[in-house]
Amino acid sequence: EVELVESGGGLVKPGGSLRLSCAASRFTFTNAWMSWVRQAPGKGLEWVGRIKSKTDGGTTDYAAPVKGRFTISRDDSKNTLYLQMHSLKTEDTAVYYCTTDSSYYGFDYWGQGTLVTVSS
Amino acid sequence: DIQMTQSPSTLSASVGDRVTITCRASQSISSWLAWYQQKPGKAPKLLIYKASTLESGVPSRFSGSGSGTEFTLTISSLQPDDFATYYCQQYNDYSTFGQGTKLDIK
Repeated sequence: EVELVESGGGLVKPGGSLRLSCAASRFTFTNAWMSWVRQAPGKGLEWVGRIKSKTDGGTTDYAAPVKGRFTISRDDSKNTLYLQMHSLKTEDTAVYYCTTDSSYYGFDYWGQGTLVTVSS
Repeated sequence: DIQMTQSPSTLSASVGDRVTITCRASQSISSWLAWYQQKPGKAPKLLIYKASTLESGVPSRFSGSGSGTEFTLTISSLQPDDFATYYCQQYNDYSTFGQGTKLDIK
């Protein structure tokens, strides 16, 4: 069974930075496109961004609210996905999920999420 | 950007009821639509992809239909485990989620 385990969440002050990690196992991570999705407390799901596999160019795409502040990267040697967040705002407070991103199936596997709280 | 509009936002129903949730896209997404179920404190779970294909292991009381801009999720006979929040998602052009439908017990 595919496993995705996020880590790195916590409390950070507005304007601060944080890096989330997502450790992937039990599937061929190298071939997978991956996305980050977030959910603010009591709110719905919001796509944050994605990274393609290196075979497909390894390029990234971002949602407008995070473009220029967040960076998604991957280390295929470690089967790990990253989300580097800068200039954090209170509205970035959310549970952040990593997901597999299939052009056919949608987001078929999800991690358990990690909570990021941006507060002074 | 493609907007997804889900209705209703909340739905009260009883065990055994047939319920339908609607999702509308702001432009055609062909059949690139998925439905997810989320329970409190848990990650979303994929139910249906490509508008009407049931994910492996999902009970057959769940079904999806539609193409273009209009889509529906139907649960034919509600079971106690089905009370949750449901989201549609387009993945034709990046990704956008609907705002969710909370299904609760009447």
